[in-house]
Amino acid sequence: RKEVEQDPGPFNVPEGATVAFNCTYSNSASQSFFWYRQDCRKEPKLLMSVYSSGNEDGRFTAQLNRASQYISLLIRDSKLSDSATYLCVVMHRDDKIIFGKGTRLHILP
Amino acid sequence: DTAVSQTPKYLVTQMGNDKSIKCEQNLGHDTMYWYKQDSKKFLKIMFSYNNKELIINETVPNRFSPKSPDKAHLNLHINSLELGDSAVYFCASSPGLAVQETQYFGPGTRLLVL
Repeated sequence: RKEVEQDPGPFNVPEGATVAFNCTYSNSASQSFFWYRQDCRKEPKLLMSVYSSGNEDGRFTAQLNRASQYISLLIRDSKLSDSATYLCVVMHRDDKIIFGKGTRLHILP
Repeated sequence: DTAVSQTPKYLVTQMGNDKSIKCEQNLGHDTMYWYKQDSKKFLKIMFSYNNKELIINETVPNRFSPKSPDKAHLNLHINSLELGDSAVYFCASSPGLAVQETQYFGPGTRLLVL
């Protein structure tokens, strides 16, 4: 099993819809989790950290399920500008940093 | 005003050459990183430095040698370039070593080895 796995997509979603995708991780000792966003030919940028109790930032909700070892990202009322690749990032206590390969999201007008 | 900057932005070179990529951050961060993003968009960490000391050194060929003259700079020197080195190289920084800290990425250096 890969250390961090994401469905590569693409997810083609009409504007205004809700979309969710997951990221699974294999190391139960993983300590921190993040979602980064990467636009085409640009650098990754932090979207949000993922906290144990789940957290929300506007239209974005992140959840962590330690028992099943996955994190999720939910985007409500999707906008055209949400089109990007979403990277899951998992960090271990020994400072190991692992990026998922990303999930491509296309919001359709 | 760029927080993390890299030069050059594009680098096209012949196989066998030696090249360097420079990275500078003006955020006052203690930790800097080099990542490689290959053609399949897989982003993989190569090195991490904290206050000029090497912290993370993933399985990277010896042809790659990072150098940190001070905590605001982390340069990457690549000897004897190979075709497989073609990729986008991202520099990043974070305030410290805590695993929960955000990383700030530079714009990337697109390296093409012919």
